[in-house]
Amino acid sequence: GEDVEQSLFLSVREGDSSVINCTYTDSSSTYLYWYKQEPGAGLQLLTYIFSNMDMKQDQRLTVLLNKKDKHLSLRIADTQTGDSAIYFCASQAYGQNFVFGPGTRLSVLP
Amino acid sequence: DGGITQSPKYLFRKEGQNVTLSCEQNLNHDAMYWYRQDPGQGLRLIYYSQIVNDFQKGDIAEGYSVSREKKESFPLTVTSAQKNPTAFYLCASSIRSGGRDTQYFGPGTRLTVL
Repeated sequence: GEDVEQSLFLSVREGDSSVINCTYTDSSSTYLYWYKQEPGAGLQLLTYIFSNMDMKQDQRLTVLLNKKDKHLSLRIADTQTGDSAIYFCASQAYGQNFVFGPGTRLSVLP
Repeated sequence: DGGITQSPKYLFRKEGQNVTLSCEQNLNHDAMYWYRQDPGQGLRLIYYSQIVNDFQKGDIAEGYSVSREKKESFPLTVTSAQKNPTAFYLCASSIRSGGRDTQYFGPGTRLTVL
């Protein structure tokens, strides 16, 4: 079945850029999403990208999509301590349910 | 305020007991979902409902049951048949726009079996 993979941990220094990577297997994925989860809370939608796009930028967030390699990344510029959280990548083929990755725990060091 | 509420936030259950987790939304969304989250794993879909009085099993439905009698409500019952129920449970609802679903999540319920 469909699968979404992410590395489980990432540590960065405050002020640096963070890059969280994700790979997916379903070539029919139409939309790809990034969600953020703070401790003990639900998931918050950060951004999404349509499969016919290569890049999307929203303030400090940049999403890059390499459809050929089925690779998605989320770059957070000027990472702050408030960005410490778990980041989930999710894919969705048209009319299908979401498939979530295992989440990447981002730790921001002072 | 529009949103999704889940209650309780923490729930403790003795082995052999059934418990029901509440999920309510006032977003007027047709679709609702229940996910289970375990450390180091992604969200796994338990049940989902696209419309009132209809629901489908997700990937890990065994030991769980749901009902969808009202658009706003999608309670999840964790039965004694669920062998390892200790987990964080997330409810979500979604609306479709232009072929894309946007899922909104509640704050979650942490269930612990004693």
